[in-house]
Amino acid sequence: EVQLVQSGAEVKKPGESLKISCQVSGFTFTSYWIAWVRQMPGKGLEWMGIIYPGDSDSRYSPSFQGQVTMSVDTSISTAYLHWSSLKASDTAIYYCARPATTYRPYYYMDVWGKGTTVTVSS
Amino acid sequence: DIQMTQSPSSLSASVGDRVTITCRANQGIVNYLAWYQQKPGKVPQVLIFGASTLQSGVPSRFSGSGSGTDFTLTISSLQPEDVATYYCQNYNTAPLSFGGGTKVEIK
Repeated sequence: EVQLVQSGAEVKKPGESLKISCQVSGFTFTSYWIAWVRQMPGKGLEWMGIIYPGDSDSRYSPSFQGQVTMSVDTSISTAYLHWSSLKASDTAIYYCARPATTYRPYYYMDVWGKGTTVTVSS
Repeated sequence: DIQMTQSPSSLSASVGDRVTITCRANQGIVNYLAWYQQKPGKVPQVLIFGASTLQSGVPSRFSGSGSGTDFTLTISSLQPEDVATYYCQNYNTAPLSFGGGTKVEIK
């Protein structure tokens, strides 16, 4: 079964760092891009960027460039999203998702993780 | 960047009604348009891709149409389990972009 299993909810203070994870199973990790999508409380979906585990090629939405860092660990089939200094405005649900094709990064997403809730509050 | 505008932002309809949601791109995206359904507290799920192709397992009461800049999602006969927020998504050009969402409720 194709699955994206995300790490648990986090509560952090402004200025703290955080890395959340997305472990995949049921498909070849290094063949598919992995996207990250943000959903702020009560708001819509925002595409943050995408990373190719095969060579760590990363493409960021301009809105998120410099705000987060995507990375992977192919030895454990896991993708990460990292903040070096959180802000209250980073409070959101973060989903990892897999495009439905191996041929291009910009595609609709047919497999989603359950999301990681990040709360940033002093 | 491509902006996706959905309308209406919310609607209330009766069970059995035909429901139509529109999505407009500010530049042409061919047919690289997907529709997602997000039920309350749940993960988004793709309903339609390629503007009109139904994802496997999605009920046939859902349909999509359009190309270029104007797209439509139609629910032919609204069911209680269709209560959700629906999003369109451009996947023609990065950064990928979603519409603001349409919340569908039962009257």
